Formats: sequence, structure tokens, C-alpha cells
Amino acid sequence: DILMTQSPSTLSAPVGDRVTITCRASQSIGSWLAWYQQRPGKAPKLLIFEASKLEIGVPSRFSGSGSGTEFALTIASLQPEDLGLYYCQQYDNHPLAFGGGTKVEIQ
Amino acid sequence: EVKLVESGGGLAKPGGSLTLSCAASGFRLSNYTVNWVRQAPGKGLEWVSSISSKGDYIHYADSAKGRFTISRDNAKNVVHLQMDSLRAQDTAVYYCARKLGPTGNLWGQGTPVTVSS
Repeated sequence: DILMTQSPSTLSAPVGDRVTITCRASQSIGSWLAWYQQRPGKAPKLLIFEASKLEIGVPSRFSGSGSGTEFALTIASLQPEDLGLYYCQQYDNHPLAFGGGTKVEIQ
Repeated sequence: EVKLVESGGGLAKPGGSLTLSCAASGFRLSNYTVNWVRQAPGKGLEWVSSISSKGDYIHYADSAKGRFTISRDNAKNVVHLQMDSLRAQDTAVYYCARKLGPTGNLWGQGTPVTVSS
């Protein structure tokens, strides 16, 4: 089974900062990686698919990069509405797997 | 409006059963793979099960194998998750999700399940 490891588990930054979350897969998954945002009390929302493709309607300050086993989600300029939990997820094969999550806080 | 709505959650005793349902509106659920994902209180997301559009490919997480059964009724535009032999560790909000990963992903609002005596 593929294990997804995210870091950091928590990050706190001021509005306007550039922040990056990393995700590592225990084996190569090509580009079959998605990133989700989960605001408090809400269902997750897809931000990025195929490692770097922006889902329709997602602000362009979000970007994804990487392939194989190393991936990153970058928020170019952190906004107050970006607070929440962020998860990576591999969909290369079953069992599907999520990373442990990164909590983003606004300083 | 395109949406998924889960139902069937609630309180169950250890060893008991619950059946969750995921109903689609605004689109044909029969065109999509559907997944169940759960989130225990204060914890991260855990994939539970998936069923292909025709129901011919079914997968379960190890935590669900032998206890949970996913099925679909494409005529009624609904997917079910039958959960038997429930344990306290199954306590979570259960989400159904269309196309987990690729574009076109859609989640329901979730239904809470509590397993307690």
C-alpha cells in the first residue's frame, strides 16, 4: 500500500506570505496526486489534480508541482480565507490514500 | 443544482449495523465511480471504499474489509454503504465523493456515525 506523508503538520504565516506544503509518496505515483482544502466544518474541496492542474474556480494563487514521489502545494500570497486543513491524496492505485493533513493558520 | 446528499448516519451500538446512502441530484450518478471517505473526530481523511460506475470494480480499505459492503442502484441514482459489526473506531463523519482525485470531484456534506454503547 502507498503511504502519503505530509509536512509540516501545522504552519502559521501572515497574510501575503508565500507558503508551501510538501507531500511524499512511499512509491512512485507518477502525477496522480490531488490536493484538497477543508475549511472548518465543511467537506473537502478539490484544489489541484494531476499534481499541477488547477481545478476550475480555484484562485490562481494556488499551484501544485512535483511528480514521482515528491510533491508540493504552494499558496503564492496567503489570504485570510485560506485557513483550514490541506490534504494530499494519491489516486494512482487502490487503496486510495490521503496524507495526514496540514493545518494552515493565519498569524 | 449538482449535489450529493448522504443520509442514514446516527447512533449504533458496538456490533450493530447502519446503512448509509448517497443520493445524487442534478446529474447521473451512474456515470461515475463513487467513493466513501470518513473523518473521525479531530482526525484526517480516510478512504473507505469505492465502486465503479457499473458496479463491477469494488475496493475496500483494510479497516472496512469483511464488515462493510458498498453497492449501487443506478436506476435510483444512489450508492449505499452497509456497515456491519460496527466498532467504536468507526465513529466518524462519512462523506460520499464523486471522482476522488481527477477533475469533476464532488463531495456531499457528510453524515455522522457514532458507535457507542
